[in-house]
Amino acid sequence: EPEVTQTPSHQVTQMGQEVILRCVPISNHLYFYWYRQILGQKVEFLVSFYNNEISEKSEIFDDQFSVERPDGSNFTLKIRSTKLEDSAMYFCASNSGGPLGEQFFGPGTRLTVL
Amino acid sequence: GENVEQHPSTLSVQEGDSAVIKCTYSDSASNYFPWYKQELGKRPQLIIDIRSNVGEKKDQRIAVTLNKTAKHFSLHITETQPEDSAVYFCAPISYNAGNMLTFGGGTRLMVKP
Repeated sequence: EPEVTQTPSHQVTQMGQEVILRCVPISNHLYFYWYRQILGQKVEFLVSFYNNEISEKSEIFDDQFSVERPDGSNFTLKIRSTKLEDSAMYFCASNSGGPLGEQFFGPGTRLTVL
Repeated sequence: GENVEQHPSTLSVQEGDSAVIKCTYSDSASNYFPWYKQELGKRPQLIIDIRSNVGEKKDQRIAVTLNKTAKHFSLHITETQPEDSAVYFCAPISYNAGNMLTFGGGTRLMVKP
């Protein structure tokens, strides 16, 4: 069964550094998402992406964040200058059928900012 | 935006008992109602979902009921097993608010053998 994959599984970085989190959505999916989960808390929406552009973004997704689909398979989240409070698990998700379809989550990237 | 609350935040049951988790939401335009299960250190996984034109859906030991008038939906697990122990999240989608999942605060279910 096809799955969403994410790399790396764990990223440690220094405050102020840039990080890029990578995701490979399921191949025939058209809608892509990033969510984050601070340890012990709920999952929070960051951004959705469709047809090569952002369709929705939350208040968390400020100018420090950007997303890109550089080729036909990868979907990336960049954090330009990391802060301590960016430490969290970042999940990529995708679905094929629009807003009322199941969103399939990747295994997540644990980002630790020191 | 959508305001989503879950109750209870923790639930402890004996193996074989039933468990019910309730989710209330604020946006009357919500039209998709999934429940996700998250085991420790793992990704959220969809266990059941329901759309706004249906009042109840069942899949073996798991069921979801929807009350659109009262703006709440509930997860029902019967004959609980230790492997049901996890955190459960509701995450409705509102047509008005875009196509993102808005997660509730989660319910930690512990099934004691």
